[in-house]
Amino acid sequence: SAVISQKPSRDICQRGTSLTIQCQVDSQVTMMFWYRQQPGQSLTLIATANQGSEATYESGFVIDKFPISRPNLTFSTLTVSNMSPEDSSIYLCSVEASKGNEQYFGPGTRLTVT
Amino acid sequence: AQSVSQHNHHVILSEAASLELGCNYSYGGTVNLFWYVQYPGQHLQLLLKYFSGDPLVKGIKGFEAEFIKSKFSFNLRKPSVQWSDTAEYFCAVIITGGGNKLTFGTGTQLKVEL
Repeated sequence: SAVISQKPSRDICQRGTSLTIQCQVDSQVTMMFWYRQQPGQSLTLIATANQGSEATYESGFVIDKFPISRPNLTFSTLTVSNMSPEDSSIYLCSVEASKGNEQYFGPGTRLTVT
Repeated sequence: AQSVSQHNHHVILSEAASLELGCNYSYGGTVNLFWYVQYPGQHLQLLLKYFSGDPLVKGIKGFEAEFIKSKFSFNLRKPSVQWSDTAEYFCAVIITGGGNKLTFGTGTQLKVEL
């Protein structure tokens, strides 16, 4: 399994500002994913980030709002731009295991927008 | 688009009681199925998975799940729960060949009382 860390673990931000969340993996992985878990709801995939290519966004999520970088095989960032209180969520990154489709998850970043 | 339904949002059991958490998905093709668990304050962890073969799969900590294709179900079971099983449980599905997108159910919060 992979060990995944995220920074920051939590933050409180003012509306209109932006926050960049970092995801670091202890091994090289091809596919990384970013999810959102809104209060009381399940996890929803925001985008898939492959190294060396543009991220692929799911319906309802756009690059201008959630720009993603994937500079190498062990690191990715997700930026939540021009935040509003509706962006208050837990944001998680995950990576695909080297075999099969299972994914390993980071600890999440708890974001509160005031 | 596929969806995943978990019928029980909150379950309270006494120690040693048997557990069954329901999970149904809405996709007629080939799927990979997962149960993830999130213990209080911890990461999402993979509990068990089904890719192919024996429809009864065994996971960690005595959990098992049965894939019933005709019912589009993948229910999680444990014969005798322990207090340490208190956690949130998520069922998830990947459509094989569908880009490794994990679709999660809404989660079931399990509380085991002493």
